[in-house]
Formats: sequence, structure tokens, C-alpha cells
Amino acid sequence: GQNIDQPTEMTATEGAIVQINCTYQTSGFNGLFWYQQHAGEAPTFLSYNVLDGLEEKGRFSSFLSRSKGYSYLLLKELQMKDSASYLCAVMDSNYQLIWGAGTKLIIKP
Amino acid sequence: GAVVSQHPSWVICKSGTSVKIECRSLDFQATTMFWYRQFPKQSLMLMATSNEGSKATYEQGVEKDKFLINHASLTLSTLTVTSAHPEDSSFYICSARTGGPDLFEQYFGPGTRLTVT
Repeated sequence: GQNIDQPTEMTATEGAIVQINCTYQTSGFNGLFWYQQHAGEAPTFLSYNVLDGLEEKGRFSSFLSRSKGYSYLLLKELQMKDSASYLCAVMDSNYQLIWGAGTKLIIKP
Repeated sequence: GAVVSQHPSWVICKSGTSVKIECRSLDFQATTMFWYRQFPKQSLMLMATSNEGSKATYEQGVEKDKFLINHASLTLSTLTVTSAHPEDSSFYICSARTGGPDLFEQYFGPGTRLTVT
């Protein structure tokens, strides 16, 4: 079956760095997405990786290793507004998004 | 660019009634639209995929006669929850794919919170 694993919850301190991991097993691979979702709101797009390596976009970076079925989202200089759930999703061979359960990130002052 | 709207943003209805939720792509033509449902503290669950002018493809376990999807144009898809029951109370989110250069990116609407009493 298809499976996306990510930690349920993480806690970090304002100004620090946090890495959210995601491992996946899917039928085919057409890229991996990271989305941010604040409580009661729809997800917003953060990043898309289809090739191995690190993609940097401001305070957020996303890494992919296809051979390991592994990705991480790196958040630097954490701000209180970064408190949200972070969803990892993989597009399979049918171009369907397979969603992880999300990681709730709690930022403490 | 790539804005998706949903209407209404929240709705309360009585058990047994039907509710229609609209999803519109405001500044692009959406070749494909997706409907998701999200229960509290859970991830998104894909309900169905719809392409303009054709019947929606429903995920396993989703009743197509209960959740009617109409993708009448390249900018509008509707989800009708028929004979709603309290267990249908959830956060319904649509998303749209442009089919353009950002082929795989899905743009999400703000969601509709449905409460069935």
C-alpha cells in the first residue's frame, strides 16, 4: 500500500531551527509537496521537489532523497506565526496526491 | 495569481437537508478540481476528482449518490451533500490544478465548514 509518515507533533523555540521529516512508500513518484495549514484554514503551498537535493526558499528549505524515500522541511529563524500543521504529500504514478497526516508544529517564545 | 474561492465559508443545516458548496477558480481555468474532507486533527482525505465536462471520479468509500459533484465549466465545480447527517459535519476543501507550467501544483480554496444539526 501507499504510506506517508511524518511526526505527529513537534515543539521548537522562537528564533531556532526545526526539521520536519517525511518518509514515503508510494506506487510511483511524480514529486513531493510540503504545505502549511493553520488551524481552520486551507493548506497553502510551500515547496515542490521532484529531483534529489535541497531547494531553498527564504526561511524554508526542502530536501529530497528519492532513493531513500525521504524528505525534510527545514524552517529557520522560527516565528510565532510558523505555528501550524505541515503536510507532506507525494504525487504518485497516477498523478494523485497521497497525503501524510501532518505534523503539528508548536512554537514557544 | 491562481486564486480559488469557496462559498459558503461556513454553513449550518438541519439533518436531512441538502447543502451545495461552490468552488471557483478566479483567475485561471482549472482543468481538474479536487474535493477533500478533513475531520478535526486529521489530514486531508480526497473525496473525488473532477474534470470539466465529465463525471467525477470518486475515491473508495465515498458515496457518489450522497456527494454530488458537478464540474460544469473550467472555473466552477460544485459539491452537493444530499440528505446531510451529523456525521457529515466536516471541513470541506476544494483545490484546482491549472494544467499549465505548474502542472502538478494544486491551489486550495479557503474551505467550507459544514455543521449538520
